[in-house]
Amino acid sequence: GENVEQHPSTLSVQEGDSAVIKCTYSDSASNYFPWYKQELGKGPQLIIDIRSNVGEKKDQRIAVTLNKTAKHFSLHITETQPEDSAVYFCAARRRGGADGLTFGKGTHLIIQP
Amino acid sequence: DSGVTQTPKHLITATGQRVTLRCSPRSGDLSVYWYQQSLDQGLQFLIQYYNGEERAKGNILERFSAQQFPDLHSELNLSSLELGDSALYFCASSGGRTSVTGELFFGEGSRLTVL
Repeated sequence: GENVEQHPSTLSVQEGDSAVIKCTYSDSASNYFPWYKQELGKGPQLIIDIRSNVGEKKDQRIAVTLNKTAKHFSLHITETQPEDSAVYFCAARRRGGADGLTFGKGTHLIIQP
Repeated sequence: DSGVTQTPKHLITATGQRVTLRCSPRSGDLSVYWYQQSLDQGLQFLIQYYNGEERAKGNILERFSAQQFPDLHSELNLSSLELGDSALYFCASSGGRTSVTGELFFGEGSRLTVL
């Protein structure tokens, strides 16, 4: 089955700086790569996603890049703000497979004031 | 508010007991997923139901079972509980008419503590 590795497990950045979280996946048949943000006491919420026919996608301060050859994808957050502090999960879903997502273990992003 | 409702929010029980967690999906969503979240394992996929039928199974223990009812709500049953079953259990739904990418909408979770 699919295996998703996520790094780092904890990331601390100064407010206003950029943050980058990286994930690798194992199944070359995976074609959908979402990123979820989980705030304290809440369930994960989708913030951005990318499909395998696209190399990069941007939405305001967040962007995701995908390298299919290397089987890795990254989340980039620019001009970080205190409200960006949360746990971020990457995930992958296999083309033609069940709809369940395989998640990475999460990155705790801390924005230092 | 994701539109997914989970009950109870918190549950404390003893080893060997059995509990039932309940999930109401977003209106119109046909798929329900159950995930277990523990500190060291992240979000582990347990099982998926689509319109009442089991569609995919993940790392679900034999002591655990689930079902989806005709009104599309789902229940996760955990039996012969062990200390290691203490975790956050999330339900997510997808597959409604507004779901283009297959986005999962998560509830706020049920926190199970086994003493």
